[in-house]
Amino acid sequence: NAGVTQTPKFQVLKTGQSMTLQCAQDMNHEYMSWYRQDPGMGLRLIHYSVGAGITDQGEVPNGYNVSRSTTEDFPLRLLSAAPSQTSVYFCASRRGQGYEQYFGPGTRLTVT
Amino acid sequence: AQSVTQPDIHITVSEGASLELRCNYSYGATPYLFWYVQSPGQGLQLLLKYFSGDTLVQGIKGFEAEFKRSQSSFNLRKPSVHWSDAAEYFCAVVLKGAQKLVFGQGTRLTINP
Repeated sequence: NAGVTQTPKFQVLKTGQSMTLQCAQDMNHEYMSWYRQDPGMGLRLIHYSVGAGITDQGEVPNGYNVSRSTTEDFPLRLLSAAPSQTSVYFCASRRGQGYEQYFGPGTRLTVT
Repeated sequence: AQSVTQPDIHITVSEGASLELRCNYSYGATPYLFWYVQSPGQGLQLLLKYFSGDTLVQGIKGFEAEFKRSQSSFNLRKPSVHWSDAAEYFCAVVLKGAQKLVFGQGTRLTINP
């Protein structure tokens, strides 16, 4: 098993550009989520999904879109990047309620 | 408001000394509780978790944590730290029946030789 994979590892964007952060898991987990990590703020939930076709907002959803067409994939889209979106982004998955959450290695995004 | 608090942003201990990292939560009911560790430039790894039952839970790498309902706390301990324990530690909670895992702000641990 590869676990949770994320691409790219690093990305630099200019303000206003769009991009998609990819996340995939091969554990057949129903629940997937995206977090951003900023110094001194821990991890904050952006969006999450409890199954294919079902998504919902977390704490900091503005500026991000998600969709979940398959169990395996949960891409995060930045429609118009802003410097405030400079952060490290983590994707995670878990089997369901009360199970361990597995994290990907992260994507470090810089918006100039 | 529901929250998770790690009061210590940065802790420094000497190698071989004992360690306790604090975590407090503010929820109406007892949530599921987790501790994660993040080494520099890495993702998060689960150290241990508490769902129910015995309030002292054992985890990987020699860590343990004790759930204290009366204090709404879930503190992480290790009797003797190693230089390789230098990392950032996150407490996280999720309410039973809820979907969102909420993280504390993290505690950065530095080990003095």
